[in-house]
Amino acid sequence: SQELEQSPQSLIVQEGKNLTINCTSSKTLYGLYWYKQKYGEGLIFLMMLQKGGEEKSHEKITAKLDEKKQQSSLHITASQPSHAGIYLCGADPLGTSGSRLTFGEGTQLTVNP
Amino acid sequence: DGGITQSPKYLFRKEGQNVTLSCEQNLNHDAMYWYRQDPGQGLRLIYYSQIVNDFQKGDIAEGYSVSREKKESFPLTVTSAQKNPTAFYLCASSITGTGFREAFFGQGTRLTVV
Repeated sequence: SQELEQSPQSLIVQEGKNLTINCTSSKTLYGLYWYKQKYGEGLIFLMMLQKGGEEKSHEKITAKLDEKKQQSSLHITASQPSHAGIYLCGADPLGTSGSRLTFGEGTQLTVNP
Repeated sequence: DGGITQSPKYLFRKEGQNVTLSCEQNLNHDAMYWYRQDPGQGLRLIYYSQIVNDFQKGDIAEGYSVSREKKESFPLTVTSAQKNPTAFYLCASSITGTGFREAFFGQGTRLTVV
């Protein structure tokens, strides 16, 4: 099965600082998803990357997929307390939507005011 | 509004009892999934279904059972055979076929064995 490793496991930053979360796969990523989760709640979809070298942004969050399609990064610029939560990367290992999805262990982000 | 609904939000179960978690979606999605999340850990796949009347085991299916009699519904039964059932359970759904679309998640059910 596809293994997804996230780093760091937890991150504490001061409000206004930039930060990066990484997601590394043992196999080629056909579709890589980034989700955010507030404690005790469901997952909120952030972005999906499919092509090598692809980069997407939404507000202050930018996600990239490397050319080899085995590593993705999530970058938050000028972090705010509203960015706090658990960030999870997920992948569709078979390359077709609807097949089993696998997730990394998540990165717990704390943003101190 | 379309969405995916899990119920109940909190559930308490005595040891040795079976309990069923509900998951309903009105997004017309073919695929549905059940995940388990433990504190400080990511999501682990229990079961998934890509079409009505068919489902496959995920990575941690032991002690769980599912059914998919209707497209909209994918209930999960936590049986007494599950040794550590206390966890946060998440249901999700997505389209199937070519092309990539995100999975939509419910708000989760927190199960506690007392």
